[in-house]
Amino acid sequence: ETGVTQSPTHLIKTRGQQVTLRCSSQSGHNTVSWYQQALGQGPQFIFQYYREEENGRGNFPPRFSGLQFPNYSSELNVNALELDDSALYLCASSPRLAGLTDTQYFGPGTRLTVL
Amino acid sequence: SQQGEEDPQALSIQEGENATMNCSYKTSINNLQWYRQNSGRGLVHLILIRSNEREKHSGRLRVTLDTSKKSSSLLITASRAADTASYFCATDGSNYQLIWGAGTKLIIKP
Repeated sequence: ETGVTQSPTHLIKTRGQQVTLRCSSQSGHNTVSWYQQALGQGPQFIFQYYREEENGRGNFPPRFSGLQFPNYSSELNVNALELDDSALYLCASSPRLAGLTDTQYFGPGTRLTVL
Repeated sequence: SQQGEEDPQALSIQEGENATMNCSYKTSINNLQWYRQNSGRGLVHLILIRSNEREKHSGRLRVTLDTSKKSSSLLITASRAADTASYFCATDGSNYQLIWGAGTKLIIKP
């Protein structure tokens, strides 16, 4: 158990809809990263939040957005869902900026299916 | 884009045998990490090796790093059925992100 939780576990949406995925980090971890993992692939970095500010972003369009709250929870929002957004979405927390070689602690993921 | 490439893509061995997986990457790194993922769920950190280290051990795991060849290997000794999983290497990239390979799927046969 990593102490990181995600909700919901599974989600089915239709193309064009909006979705919010939630993550609760380990207490004291002020950095959260979000990843998208397509079936059979490695995770792709979406973005990272540090102390409630976006700290870095991967190659994802602006319809992917996030929020981080002072209580160690965070959200990933995806607007105008596309079929290719179907994937496992993972959040990971770490006690400081992940680029400073810290281990990231992953939640179990949310499986999103877009029909 | 993915920086690491694991090799082989899939590996099937008998319980008790040793399993070796390799990872190659493209740009210079500060550290390299190995993670395990069971059945498409969350990733579990296994071991982190820094760029100035050549070898690291953790229980039945042995990781090596060759920065001149931009490669790393993960050895699991005396494999068990519970080791069946996908194994990923990840390197530190720009924007504080981890960059991942596509993984090696390991199957341990009883």
